[in-house]
Amino acid sequence: SQTIHQWPATLVQPVGSPLSLECTVEGTSNPNLYWYRQAAGRGLQLLFYSVGIGQISSEVPQNLSASRPQDRQFILSSKKLLLSDSGFYLCAFAGIGYGYTFGSGTRLTVV
Amino acid sequence: DAKTTQPTSMDCAEGRAANLPCNHSTISGNEYVYWYRQIHSQGPQYIIHGLKNNETNEMASLIITEDRKSSTLILPHATLRDTAVYYCIVSLESWNTGNQFYFGTGTSLTVIP
Repeated sequence: SQTIHQWPATLVQPVGSPLSLECTVEGTSNPNLYWYRQAAGRGLQLLFYSVGIGQISSEVPQNLSASRPQDRQFILSSKKLLLSDSGFYLCAFAGIGYGYTFGSGTRLTVV
Repeated sequence: DAKTTQPTSMDCAEGRAANLPCNHSTISGNEYVYWYRQIHSQGPQYIIHGLKNNETNEMASLIITEDRKSSTLILPHATLRDTAVYYCIVSLESWNTGNQFYFGTGTSLTVIP
């Protein structure tokens, strides 16, 4: 079966510190992968998507970057976090016939 | 950008049917209607999707109007655990196209005991 793993579940980081969130997918090959962010009380905003290794598309300019070093690994990074980077970060992959499957999310608080 | 319009919030009595509307007047012929829900502090969960015909699964029913400009998600017997934000999304079929899902603000459904 296809599964998605995302960690950590929660993270508190100081302003100016780096960030690395990891997402891995099992049970499928060459998936389309996505990073979303949800600010408190807001909808989901698409940040990045990838259709293959090394292929990253950015939806909005921001302080974040994404990488896909392996087929089923998607990483969200920042060199220096801002307060505005706080939010709920979700990784997802596209599955056959039913749209997206989301990870359990990482709640990031920048202090 | 999201291509759908949904009411901001709705209430439903426990045990009754919850009918959540969605307008998607600019939907194109090969775009599907997807429904997801998000329980607080969790990732969105797939519910159902359809193209033209009405669909039913173990979670819900999806009624799509003949002109496909609107749809309704029906939870036949709402329970307290159905309290969540429900998102209606219009998109090409996601598999192998590289297209993206754009989420609006959804409908916050509260099931009342």
